[in-house]
Amino acid sequence: DAGVIQSPRHEVTEMGQEVTLRCKPISGHDYLFWYRQTMMRGLELLIYFNNNVPIDDSGMPEDRFSAKMPNASFSTLKIQPSEPRDSAVYFCASSKRASFNSPLHFGNGTRLTVT
Amino acid sequence: GESVGLHLPTLSVQEGDNSIINCAYSNSASDYFIWYKQESGKGPQFIIDIRSNMDKRQGQRVTVLLNKTVKHLSLQIAATQPGDSAVYFCAEIPGYSTLTFGKGTMLLVSP
Repeated sequence: DAGVIQSPRHEVTEMGQEVTLRCKPISGHDYLFWYRQTMMRGLELLIYFNNNVPIDDSGMPEDRFSAKMPNASFSTLKIQPSEPRDSAVYFCASSKRASFNSPLHFGNGTRLTVT
Repeated sequence: GESVGLHLPTLSVQEGDNSIINCAYSNSASDYFIWYKQESGKGPQFIIDIRSNMDKRQGQRVTVLLNKTVKHLSLQIAATQPGDSAVYFCAEIPGYSTLTFGKGTMLLVSP
């Protein structure tokens, strides 16, 4: 089992540039989640999808952030324009049909540094 | 109140000791709880879960205890090994809502 796959593992970019993070969930998982992790705020849920449809994006910090899931095997998180305060580790996670009793499986994250 | 800032609570133990990591959860409506382990450079990894109709659940070398009266969750690791060194997160789900993570506890195991 390949697990949740994220790319790139590391991204360094300059303020104002567009950043796109990618995620391939585990096959057969109907839920996909994007989290952000910082030392100050811990793990924060940004958005999650069910069957490719965004269900709750209330955690997306600003309009600069957007996420898409064009099909069951691919999702992107885009930041445009990026700012230094966006520097964090971004995790993608997936789970089976029901979130209850169905733990999230996380990728190894993308470490984003915005200078 | 919740912990804020750069410093995670840290538990230091010797190899072979038993470890107990505690977590206070906030939502009395939460009915499902999970412990995750996060090693450096990796994503959180599922360890064990428990539903609110239980007060104890055992896995391999790990036990989770749930006290709903005081909204407290603990993870016990038996015969702690250096490979257990990581940050441990408790997470709760109120009903069919989404997972909410605690701030985490760092476990350091000395050989």
